[in-house]
Amino acid sequence: EAGVVQSPRYKIIEKKQPVAFWCNPISGHNTLYWYLQNLGQGPELLIRYENEEAVDDSQLPKDRFSAERLKGVDSTLKIQPAELGDSAVYLCASSLGGVEQFFGPGTRLTVL
Amino acid sequence: AQSVTQLDSHVSVSEGTPVLLRCNYSSSYSPSLFWYVQHPNKGLQLLLKYTSAATLVKGINGFEAEFKKSETSFHLTKPSAHMSDAAEYFCVVSDFSGNTPLVFGKGTRLSVIA
Repeated sequence: EAGVVQSPRYKIIEKKQPVAFWCNPISGHNTLYWYLQNLGQGPELLIRYENEEAVDDSQLPKDRFSAERLKGVDSTLKIQPAELGDSAVYLCASSLGGVEQFFGPGTRLTVL
Repeated sequence: AQSVTQLDSHVSVSEGTPVLLRCNYSSSYSPSLFWYVQHPNKGLQLLLKYTSAATLVKGINGFEAEFKKSETSFHLTKPSAHMSDAAEYFCVVSDFSGNTPLVFGKGTRLSVIA
């Protein structure tokens, strides 16, 4: 069974540029999560989807971050415009029923 | 509110010796507790989970953890370290229903010396 797929794996952009990350969860998993992991820290939740509905986006900085999961399957996380402090690893995870989450390899973003 | 404290940011052991990674938690609810491992440039992998069944939980690769409510602890142990165990380990808490987000500790980096 394929795991959670994320692309790209690495992205380098200049500040003020837009960037997008894509995630395809495990087939059949209705819950999808985006996490932010800063260097030397544990992941922190940005947004959680139940099917296509964002049920928890309280930690998403909505002035520059947006996310969508239009058909309740794959999802895109966007930053526009990116800032230097956005350099981090962006993790996607999925679950079926909520408790155990399966993580993708992440996208490492470097903002110059 | 929920939180976890990983008491050591870095642990170094010799190959073949026991591993102990310490974690204390705080939770207003009946907690679910997890240990995840993250190898460089790889995704987080679940080692084991506690969800109110047996307090001694066995996981993959010979790891186990014991839930101690009186001490609010969930320490991770392994009898004999392998070189391949070198990685970052995260202690994680959520509520039993899974309706609250996973809250991660800051991680413990395990080094294994040959």
